[in-house]
Amino acid sequence: QVQLQESGPGLVKPSQTLSLTCTVSGGSISSGSYYWSWIRQPAGKGLEWIGRIYTSGSTNYNPSLKSRVTISVDTSKNQFSLKLSSVTAADTAVYYCARAGGVTGFDYWGQGTLVTVSS
Amino acid sequence: EIVMTQSPATLSVSPGERATLSCRASQSVSSNLAWYQQKPGQAPRLLIYGASTRATGIPARFSGSGSGTEFTLTISSLQSEDFAVYYCQQYNNWPPSITFGQGTRLEIK
Repeated sequence: QVQLQESGPGLVKPSQTLSLTCTVSGGSISSGSYYWSWIRQPAGKGLEWIGRIYTSGSTNYNPSLKSRVTISVDTSKNQFSLKLSSVTAADTAVYYCARAGGVTGFDYWGQGTLVTVSS
Repeated sequence: EIVMTQSPATLSVSPGERATLSCRASQSVSSNLAWYQQKPGQAPRLLIYGASTRATGIPARFSGSGSGTEFTLTISSLQSEDFAVYYCQQYNNWPPSITFGQGTRLEIK
């Protein structure tokens, strides 16, 4: 059974960089044809896809966030990571990591981690 | 960007009755459409992918239909555990893009 777990600071100051890591267990991050994504959800609002990395290392980002986002993978640790630069209060949200097949939607999700942007 | 619009925003249905949720795409996404259920404090759960294929372990009372720009999620005979927020999501492969609808809250009537 694949499991995903987000980790990282719960509080980030405005203008700084938000950094989160997703650790995958129960399977290798580099096996199979999967996309590994970050998704966020502000309190009481809907879901926003941030971006994804493929097992080959190629990435795709939400155009609205592309200039501030970097997603990377560390296959030796079975982890992938998110960096979001120049954060503001609008970036305060629960951040999820999730796995998707090419045509199957997001079938595994982490539990989510709340990141608050505040001084 | 492909915009996904869900309707209604809130749907009130009695237990045991049928619920029909709609999702419209601003341009064709073929059958690259998924539905999720989210309960408070939990991550979304995949219900349907490929517009009509139930994910592993999803009860048969959940069904999806549609293609192109119009999609429907139907829940027959609502159970108490089905009251939640439902999201549709498109995953267009080229150009690569993923967007979610704004959600439909299914509440007990």
